[in-house]
Amino acid sequence: DAGITQSPRYKITETGRQVTLMCHQTWSHSYMFWYRQDLGHGLRLIYYSAAADITDKGEVPDGYVVSRSKTENFPLTLESATRSQTSVYFCASNVAGGPKHEQYFGPGTRLTVT
Amino acid sequence: GDSVTQMEGPVTLSEEAFLTINCTYTATGYPSLFWYVQYPGEGLQLLLKATKADDKGSNKGFEATYRKETTSFHLEKGSVQVSDSAVYFCALLLGSARQLTFGSGTQLTVLP
Repeated sequence: DAGITQSPRYKITETGRQVTLMCHQTWSHSYMFWYRQDLGHGLRLIYYSAAADITDKGEVPDGYVVSRSKTENFPLTLESATRSQTSVYFCASNVAGGPKHEQYFGPGTRLTVT
Repeated sequence: GDSVTQMEGPVTLSEEAFLTINCTYTATGYPSLFWYVQYPGEGLQLLLKATKADDKGSNKGFEATYRKETTSFHLEKGSVQVSDSAVYFCALLLGSARQLTFGSGTQLTVLP
C-alpha cells in the first residue's frame, strides 16, 4: 500500500525485553522521524534521519536505537524495555526540498511494557 | 528552549457551538506555526499553518491568526460538527530545522 505504515499496531512486552517497531514509507522521502506521544506531553521527537545511514537524536533519545539502511525503512528498537517507555509511537516522513513542516504520519504503534 | 502551551482539555461542545482552543508559544526566533489534528485511531494530519505575523491560516472552517505581539495562535471554528471530534495539536517550527515542537494536545468531543 502507498503511504507510511507501522507495525505492529499494538504490542505488549515485558520489562527488559528488546522490541523493534517498524516503519515503512513508499514515497522515497528523505527525512523520517520517530515520536512518542504521552498524555500531557504531546509528541516528543526521539530520533530522526535525513537520509539512509544518517540519523540524529531528538529530544528524548535515551533507551532507543535507530537505523536506516534503506531509505524506505526506519526501525526503532528498545534494547531493554522499561515501563516508562509505555507510549504510543508515531513514525513520520518528509520530503527533502518540500515544506519542512509537512510531515506525513503513520497510524501509530501502541506499546505497553509490563 | 522553544515550547508550545495549549489550553488543557478535554473540551466538550454541542454541535454548531463556537470553538476556541488557545495556543501560545515561546521561541528564540521567529517561528512558523501550525495546527495538526489527530482523528481517533489515526496519525496526525496538518490542519492549517501560518508563517509570519498577522497571517491567517484556514482549512475546513477552522481558522487561526499568527499574533506576534501576544505570541499566540488560537484555533477557532464558528460551528463545530460531530466529525470534528479529535485531538488538536499546536506546533511550531523554527529556522532551518525540521523538528516540530508540539503542544500537549487538546481533546475535543462534539455531541449531537
